[in-house]
Amino acid sequence: NAGVMQNPRHLVRRRGQEARLRCSPMKGHSHVYWYRQLPEEGLKFMVYLQKENIIDESGMPKERFSAEFPKEGPSILRIQQVVRGDSAAYFCASSPRVSGSYEQYFGPGTRLTVT
Amino acid sequence: AQTVTQSQPEMSVQEAETVTLSCTYDTSESDYYLFWYKQPPSRQMILVIRQEAYKQQNATENRFSVNFQKAAKSFSLKISDSQLGDAAMYFCAYRSAEGGSEKLVFGKGTKLTVNP
Repeated sequence: NAGVMQNPRHLVRRRGQEARLRCSPMKGHSHVYWYRQLPEEGLKFMVYLQKENIIDESGMPKERFSAEFPKEGPSILRIQQVVRGDSAAYFCASSPRVSGSYEQYFGPGTRLTVT
Repeated sequence: AQTVTQSQPEMSVQEAETVTLSCTYDTSESDYYLFWYKQPPSRQMILVIRQEAYKQQNATENRFSVNFQKAAKSFSLKISDSQLGDAAMYFCAYRSAEGGSEKLVFGKGTKLTVNP
């Protein structure tokens, strides 16, 4: 069973460009979480999605950031008009269900650098 | 809102020795889960151990064990017989079990160095 996959692993964007980060959850997992890790910091929750639904976006900046998890295909985290402060590692995690103590399984992350 | 505090930014241990990493948390909930994640230089987040708040027995996974003190809201990680491969950032995390979002709340991490 393949783990959580994220691509690209590294992404360089100039200020003002768009960044698209992709996450394919583990097989059989229908819940996806996105986290951001700034340098020397822990991970901070951004958004929680199920297929075709955003369940909790309380950690997502109100502007320029959006996320989706379509019926088919990977989850996408989209950052429009990137700024230097968006430079960070973005991690995706998936889990098979909501209730219970099921862990969240993390992908290897995408390191975004804004120049 | 829940918070997680790791008061030790860095720790070091000699190979084969034992080390304890501290974690405290703040919550008004009675039902929740606690986790320790390891992040080696590859940056991959690896689950080390988990604890359900309703269980009094401390969780153990091979050389890793926790000391869970619910009243004190403390959740420390003990690593026995430390190995060079244990060197990494260690993050303590909290997750509510009372419905709603299942997001993880992380501490800022402890960098563990293992000396040969």
